[in-house]
Order: sequence, then C-alpha cells, then structure tokens
Amino acid sequence: DAKTTQPTSMDCAEGRAANLPCNHSTISGNEYVYWYRQIHSQGPQYIIHGLKNNETNEMASLIITEDRKSSTLILPHATLRDTAVYYCIVRVGFQKLVFGTGTRLLVSP
Amino acid sequence: DTEVTQTPKHLVMGMTNKKSLKCEQHMGHRAMYWYKQKAKKPPELMFVYSYEKLSINESVPSRFSPECPNSSLLNLHLHALQPEDSALYLCASSQDQVNTGELFFGEGSRLTVL
Repeated sequence: DAKTTQPTSMDCAEGRAANLPCNHSTISGNEYVYWYRQIHSQGPQYIIHGLKNNETNEMASLIITEDRKSSTLILPHATLRDTAVYYCIVRVGFQKLVFGTGTRLLVSP
Repeated sequence: DTEVTQTPKHLVMGMTNKKSLKCEQHMGHRAMYWYKQKAKKPPELMFVYSYEKLSINESVPSRFSPECPNSSLLNLHLHALQPEDSALYLCASSQDQVNTGELFFGEGSRLTVL
C-alpha cells in the first residue's frame, strides 16, 4: 500500500497562497491522490482528488508531478478559516482511505 | 441534504454499560463507515458497510459491534469498553464503495469511558 509523507506543520499569512506538499513515491498506476482537511473538533472534509492531471475546484488546486511521486495542494488565498489539519491520502483498495499524520496549517493575520 | 448526522455528540459511559452510537444519512449513499480518532491522531478505519453488508472489519475488538439496519442508518453498539476506547467516533458515507473517494463525514460522537 502506498504511503504518504507530509510536513508536520506549516504557517501561512492570510491572503497568501498556501502550498502543501505530499510525497507518495510508492503510488501505483491506478491509485488516486485525495486531500481532506479537518478543522478542530469537526469531521474531515473532502477537498479534491486526482489521478494524473492537475485538478482545480472552488476550494483548491491539486498539482501532481509527472512521475506521480508527489503532489501539492494549493489554497490560492488562505483565510483564517483554512487553519486545519490537511491530510494527503492515497486510495488503498476499494474505498479504504487510510489517513496519514497530516500537515497542521496555521493561517495568521 | 448533504449531511451525515451523528448522535449523541457526547457520551460518557462506565466499563459495564451498554450504549449505542447512531449515524444517519439521507443522500442515498450505499456505503457507510466508522472511524475512530484519538486526540492529535489521524482517523483510523474500523468498519465499512456496503449495501448494508459488512465488507471491511479492521480487526476491531468484539466489544464494538456495528449494525446497518437499512441503507440510511448505521449504528455502533458498545459493550464492556475500556478507558483507552475513549475517542472521537466518526461516521462517514459515500455513494458506493467502488467509484468514489468522496467521503462525507459527520461531526463525530465524543466518547469517554470511565
């Protein structure tokens, strides 16, 4: 099963772009990369997912390297409400999402 | 309605008690999940139900007993728990088990075992 490696914590100034990296060097060809976030005391929230191509939605952009060994989640204009733990997850089997330790993002004024 | 509703939000129980956690969704999802989350740790998968049948049990102790009475409802029955079982229990649902990774999570039930 592919594992992910993320920095433990990151800081970002409000209004700036937050770029959260994730390494998944053992990912296999049919595994998707998912990003979720968990705001304190709430359930995790789906952000975005992708297989090979870059993806964008109303919340964020996902950039996946050509060799698929790493990816970056981009929050284009971070706000204080984006302070959360961000989980990069590689899909393991059918719907068996395994959460790693995540990155604690702190957005400051 | 894009919500997963969990009750109760907080539960305190003794080690000899029997209690249940309840999860409900009305999105027509056919896969439902229980996760356990200890403080400052990531969620850990416990059980997966697909079309009301248990499809994944991550070697969870038998003092946790899941039940899926219908496609909208998921229960977790608790009996003879230990203090180390104190945690946030998260329920989630998805359209099905195969096609999508978009899990919708509830806010969780915070369990304290005395």
